[in-house]
Amino acid sequence: EAQVTQNPRYLITVTGKKLTVTCSQNMNHEYMSWYRQDPGLGLRQIYYSMNVEVTDKGDVPEGYKVSRKEKRNFPLILESPSPNQTSLYFCASSWRRSGPSGANVLTFGAGSRLTVL
Amino acid sequence: EDKVVQSPLSLVVHEGDTVTLNCSYEVTNFRSLLWYKQEKKAPTFLFMLTSSGIEKKSGRLSSILDKKELFSILNITATQTGDSAVYLCAPGGSNYKLTFGKGTLLTVNP
Repeated sequence: EAQVTQNPRYLITVTGKKLTVTCSQNMNHEYMSWYRQDPGLGLRQIYYSMNVEVTDKGDVPEGYKVSRKEKRNFPLILESPSPNQTSLYFCASSWRRSGPSGANVLTFGAGSRLTVL
Repeated sequence: EDKVVQSPLSLVVHEGDTVTLNCSYEVTNFRSLLWYKQEKKAPTFLFMLTSSGIEKKSGRLSSILDKKELFSILNITATQTGDSAVYLCAPGGSNYKLTFGKGTLLTVNP
């Protein structure tokens, strides 16, 4: 089954304790992205990756790191989590297409609900 | 800065009603606009529109894009309780990024 898999789905942690949220897709997609979703703010992009070893900041990158060493994996790293990073996180992936319909249909993972105390 | 405004923010209707959800946008190098449905889980894809005036239909749902006036609408006819969800509008630019609106929360009561 074509899917984006995130882990963990739920996590409660404490301020300053490094954590990694893994993301893996089995669709051979070039493009991968992380979003966070907060009440009243909607989905906001954290980081994205056009392909292996190519990553760039989204709209809210502060406090996060990413890496793209393999095409299928795009982990999100919180080096020193803080309470304002309590949120619902989504990983998503898509093809990269050229031409007039260049924007893409993102496939989302099930989400990871993170609480930082 | 890319902007997406959806209205209304929330809507409560009765089964069988018809609803219209609105999305206006300002996106650099606009390429297409996507609609997603989000229940208590991940967003799921509904439509992608790339050309003005083309109405996409899927059963009771339809959507139109106006690239001149920079807006899109999503219509749902004969609503059912299963249509209750947050509907997200997401225009996309040439850098493959989708910018999401805050969504419209639709509640369909029996």
